[in-house]
Amino acid sequence: KQEVTQIPAALSVPEGENLVLNCSFTDSAIYNLQWFRQDPGKGLTSLLLIQSSQREQTSGRLNASLDKSSGRSTLYIAASQPGDSATYLCAVPDYTGANSKLTFGKGITLSVRP
Amino acid sequence: GAVVSQHPSRVICKSGTSVKIECRSLDFQATTMFWYRQFPKQSLMLMATSNEGSKATYEQGVEKDKFLINHASLTLSTLTVTSAHPEDSSFYICSANLIAGGPRGQETQYFGPGTRLLVL
Repeated sequence: KQEVTQIPAALSVPEGENLVLNCSFTDSAIYNLQWFRQDPGKGLTSLLLIQSSQREQTSGRLNASLDKSSGRSTLYIAASQPGDSATYLCAVPDYTGANSKLTFGKGITLSVRP
Repeated sequence: GAVVSQHPSRVICKSGTSVKIECRSLDFQATTMFWYRQFPKQSLMLMATSNEGSKATYEQGVEKDKFLINHASLTLSTLTVTSAHPEDSSFYICSANLIAGGPRGQETQYFGPGTRLLVL
């Protein structure tokens, strides 16, 4: 059974700092990995999706990397801003059965201090 | 991009009543929708997979008679929490699959804004 872990659970940094959020998964046979952002009391916004054949994806100040063999992914946020404060979740799909479903980590709650 | 809506966004009800939550894909058709539950400071846990025109597939430990799912059209799935109790209070989020085509790994799930349920 796939397990997704995100450590630490919370992170607080000063504005402007570059930071890395980690995600690990136990079953390396994944098709892709996705990073989401969740604001308090809100749904999820997809940030980046990395296919298993890719090593990284970039969108603006965000860069996500994937190392399937070691079961790890990182989300790099450059020049962090207070508006980046949110919970960041990673998820991998599970194709066991007729439909795919996502297995999520518990998320990392990021606070960027002005 | 693809948009998924949920209604209501927040509901408070008395113990023993039933609550219906709607999930709509606004600008695309979704043969598959997913229902998740999220408790405070916890991750999203998949409750069931809703397939248009067929019965939903429930995850282990989720009571299908308590959480009724109907996927009557390609743009609408509903979750009904029957005889709700305080322990059912949670954040319920739906998502819909936008299949880009091609091999596995091409699907993208778009999430609704969530519904906060509070059972008194």
